Amino acid sequence: NAGVTQTPKFQVLKTGQSMTLQCAQDMNHNSMYWYRQDPGMGLRLIYYSASEGTTDKGEVPNGYNVSRLNKREFSLRLESAAPSQTSVYFCASSEVGPPTDTQYFGPGTRLTVL
Amino acid sequence: RKEVEQDPGPFNVPEGATVAFNCTYSNSASQSFFWYRQDCRKEPKLLMSVYSSGNEDGRFTAQLNRASQYISLLIRDSKLSDSATYLCVVNSPRSARQLTFGSGTQLTVLP
Repeated sequence: NAGVTQTPKFQVLKTGQSMTLQCAQDMNHNSMYWYRQDPGMGLRLIYYSASEGTTDKGEVPNGYNVSRLNKREFSLRLESAAPSQTSVYFCASSEVGPPTDTQYFGPGTRLTVL
Repeated sequence: RKEVEQDPGPFNVPEGATVAFNCTYSNSASQSFFWYRQDCRKEPKLLMSVYSSGNEDGRFTAQLNRASQYISLLIRDSKLSDSATYLCVVNSPRSARQLTFGSGTQLTVLP
């Protein structure tokens, strides 16, 4: 039981390049989330998926797209990376969703955009 | 005003000490409150939920004061392994289906 896994762990991009961050969970959770974490700021929600087939914008969705591929997988795509997207990205999942559910986080992807 | 505000610290305390963190939140309609723990360069993990009547889990006690809109976390008999960043989390004013994370309070327990 791996919990929440993310790939890659580290990535360096040049401005304008695109990439997809992958996330998978094996806990049969319905809800999945993408956050970014920057120094001095709390985790900020980018997008979430309350259930398979649905996605919704969070607090900071601009510059990102998501796909809930199936119940297990939720990917985050940067179409044209910008230096402002340098951050640590965390994927999380929960059985149902806020406000009461525990969120389980993956180990994170450290992204640098030059 | 930030939706969730925490003193960033750092708090440096000796082993065995008692330390308390406070957190204030802006949305009076918030219903769900949590403390998460994040070790250096690791992912956040749930430490405990915070209930209206206050709750305790071993050496950790969480309190909620709705009138003043603050949450507290008390750690008794600090251990070296308690060194981490503690994140205050509240359900978001934008949507009850979202959580808002504070930027965290850093704790270092010294031998």
